[in-house]
Amino acid sequence: SAVISQKPSRDICQRGTSLTIQCQVDSQVTMMFWYRQQPGQSLTLIATANQGSEATYESGFVIDKFPISRPNLTFSTLTVSNMSPEDSSIYLCSVETSGGGYTFGSGTRLTVV
Amino acid sequence: GENVEQHPSTLSVQEGDSAVIKCTYSDSASNYFPWYKQELGKRPQLIIDIRSNVGEKKDQRIAVTLNKTAKHFSLHITETQPEDSAVYFCAAKTGGTSYGKLTFGQGTILTVHP
Repeated sequence: SAVISQKPSRDICQRGTSLTIQCQVDSQVTMMFWYRQQPGQSLTLIATANQGSEATYESGFVIDKFPISRPNLTFSTLTVSNMSPEDSSIYLCSVETSGGGYTFGSGTRLTVV
Repeated sequence: GENVEQHPSTLSVQEGDSAVIKCTYSDSASNYFPWYKQELGKRPQLIIDIRSNVGEKKDQRIAVTLNKTAKHFSLHITETQPEDSAVYFCAAKTGGTSYGKLTFGQGTILTVHP
């Protein structure tokens, strides 16, 4: 199945700044998914990124806050913009594997101070 | 959209006992139901999954059952071991679109006492 490299693994950021998270997949995939996992909570889908088109955002998430790039079929970035402490979470990317399941990157643990 | 409810939120068992976690979903078009295990500080790992055309699937100590009519599915772990302690998430893949997205349940913290 696909292997995802995600970075950074963790970061501590000042409020008001932005952080860009990268995910690299070892094979070409049509869709890449970005999730947020708040402390002690489940995974919530932020958006779905398709190469060559704008990402599709879920209710409660907007492009200005979470801009996404998908320049090719193996790479995507998620930016968390104008951060506040409420953005402190784990952010994970995910792809659908050839077997039909979904695999996740190792996650980015973000702390906003 | 899809809504997945998971119960219980915490589950404590003795080593060797069985553990059962249940999930219900709302979208009858959902067609794929994975279970993930997440250990502290790690990514979710797929442990078993089932598709809507199958009623039960087993992999060693782990099994999943699906009742499409009632729209619920369950994870069964037999002969539990301390290393089974983790957070378990169910999910449902929304059907009816050109691609699938997963909606997750709230998670179950499983603790297996030696």
